[in-house]
Amino acid sequence: EPEVTQTPSHQVTQMGQEVILRCVPISNHLYFYWYRQILGQKVEFLVSFYNNEISEKSEIFDDQFSVERPDGSNFTLKIRSTKLEDSAMYFCASSESGQGGRGVFQPQHFGDGTRLSIL
Amino acid sequence: GNSVTQMEGPVTLSEEAFLTINCTYTATGYPSLFWYVQYPGEGLQLLLKATKADDKGSNKGFEATYRKETTSFHLEKGSVQVSDSAVYFCALRFSGAGSYQLTFGKGTKLSVIP
Repeated sequence: EPEVTQTPSHQVTQMGQEVILRCVPISNHLYFYWYRQILGQKVEFLVSFYNNEISEKSEIFDDQFSVERPDGSNFTLKIRSTKLEDSAMYFCASSESGQGGRGVFQPQHFGDGTRLSIL
Repeated sequence: GNSVTQMEGPVTLSEEAFLTINCTYTATGYPSLFWYVQYPGEGLQLLLKATKADDKGSNKGFEATYRKETTSFHLEKGSVQVSDSAVYFCALRFSGAGSYQLTFGKGTKLSVIP
């Protein structure tokens, strides 16, 4: 069964450094997402991406964050200048369609996550 | 805004016991509701879903019914196994156009002992 893959599984970075988290979504999926989970807290939505642009973002997704689909397979999350509070598990997800409501719904498939530790 | 409240864990059960994990939600309109499961060292996997009131989602012996009148989506299983040990997340997705994000509960850790 096709799956979302994320690399690396664990990233350790000094505070203030830039970090790029990488994801390879499922190949025929059109919508891409990033979520994060700070230890002991809820999984929180960061951003969704479709047709090479951000379609929705949360308050967490400030100017320090950016996303990119640099080629036909990768989807990346960049944090420009990391802070201690960015330490979390970051999950990438993808879906065939983002359409909600009473229409046909396609589930979001999640990767195993990248654990980001900021020192 | 939208929110999901799950029962606090951890929950420890003996094998073959009955499981209920409570989930209630606050949302405008008619959200879609989900249960995701996270096994140790793995990502989130969709367990089941329901997209309208009175729908029952089911998978792997787990069931949950979308109750609009009580704004609930409780997860149940009649007989748990050791392999069901995992963290379970209730989630909703707002039905408004252009909104794709999932809103998650805090998760409930289930441990099943032989």
